[in-house]
Amino acid sequence: EAGVVQSPRYKIIEKKQPVAFWCNPISGHNTLYWYRQNLGQGPELLIRYENEEAVDDSQLPKDRFSAERLKGVDSTLKIQPAELGDSAVYLCASSLNPPPAGGYTFGSGTRLTVV
Amino acid sequence: QKEVEQDPGPLSVPEGAIVSLNCTYSNSAFQYFMWYRQYSRKGPELLMYTYSSGNKEDGRFTAQVDKSSKYISLFIRDSQPSDSATYLCAMSSDYGQNFVFGPGTRLSVLP
Repeated sequence: EAGVVQSPRYKIIEKKQPVAFWCNPISGHNTLYWYRQNLGQGPELLIRYENEEAVDDSQLPKDRFSAERLKGVDSTLKIQPAELGDSAVYLCASSLNPPPAGGYTFGSGTRLTVV
Repeated sequence: QKEVEQDPGPLSVPEGAIVSLNCTYSNSAFQYFMWYRQYSRKGPELLMYTYSSGNKEDGRFTAQVDKSSKYISLFIRDSQPSDSATYLCAMSSDYGQNFVFGPGTRLSVLP
């Protein structure tokens, strides 16, 4: 079974430029999460989807961040314009709802560097 | 004070040692607890999941939860170089949702 697939793996952009990250969750997982992980820190939730509905986006900086999950499967997270402080690893995770034994499956992440 | 705190490490131990990794938390409503392992440049992977207080064992790994002290631990017996990774605790008051992660402890097991 393929895991959670994210692309690109790495991205370097100049500040004020836009950037987008893509996530393909595990087949059948109706819950999808986007997390941001700063260096030396744990992941922090940005947004959670149940199917195509964003049910928790309270931590998403809506002035520059947007996300969508088309047809309740793949998801895209966008930043426009990017700032230096956005440099981090962006992780996508998916799970059944409720997740069995509490677990999410994470992708390998997209490492964003804003210069 | 952060909601979930971990010993930052890094922690270096010789192969075969018993490792103790710990988290403290401030929210008494937390009742679902997880430990994740994260290798360099990879996403976290679930190691252990426990509910409420008590112990849970899985192979070389034992998770302990003490809700009265707001303290959880992960023990690794007979540690191996392949256990070298960052260990993240995560917890939630709401089953399956809204897990809050600790900052992680980086562990190195030396051959």
